Amino acid sequence: DSGVTQTPKHLITATGQRVTLRCSPRSGDLSVYWYQQSLDQGLQFLIQYYNGEERAKGNILERFSAQQFPDLHSELNLSSLELGDSALYFCASSAAGGPSHYNEQFFGPGTRLTVL
Amino acid sequence: AQSVTQLGSHVSVSEGALVLLRCNYSSSVPPYLFWYVQYPNQGLQLLLKYTSAATLVKGINGFEAEFKKSETSFHLTKPSAHMSDAAEYFCAVSDRVHSSASKIIFGSGTRLSIRP
Repeated sequence: DSGVTQTPKHLITATGQRVTLRCSPRSGDLSVYWYQQSLDQGLQFLIQYYNGEERAKGNILERFSAQQFPDLHSELNLSSLELGDSALYFCASSAAGGPSHYNEQFFGPGTRLTVL
Repeated sequence: AQSVTQLGSHVSVSEGALVLLRCNYSSSVPPYLFWYVQYPNQGLQLLLKYTSAATLVKGINGFEAEFKKSETSFHLTKPSAHMSDAAEYFCAVSDRVHSSASKIIFGSGTRLSIRP
């Protein structure tokens, strides 16, 4: 158990809909990262938040957005869903301060999103 | 831009045999390198990381990797495979920018199967 929790575990929805994925980092970790894992794209970094502020952006679509709240949990919002958005979405957290390579990223179990 | 290439999307070895998973990186600056493992239906877990202290890095579960700058490689090895090693393995690279916005770029993964 990494200490990172993600809800829900599974999510099935229809095209055009909007969903919210939730992540609670390990106690004390200030950084939260979101990743998308799909068969054709592999593991893609989406976005990072550090203590409530956006710090780095990867291959995140404009239809997707995220935020980190004062209690440090994070939510990833996916809107106008398409079939191709079906994937595993992982959240990871790392310890307070410093760059990611000094601080191991601890991954949550993921949310499997299926868009029908 | 940084990237990693994992040679072989699927590797199969017999129990007790040597495990060798190949990773080559591309980076314009000295990199940090990682190997992560993903067991079925779980998130990623850090196996080991290279941060320039020693070129031979030992990780968990008997795995080790050697950083070879001349070959731009960071191959993962284990002398004797166990059935429990069956999983997906990801090589990853990060730059050395001292910023909390530093990103990790993952390879496409290698699925390791163990034959009884």
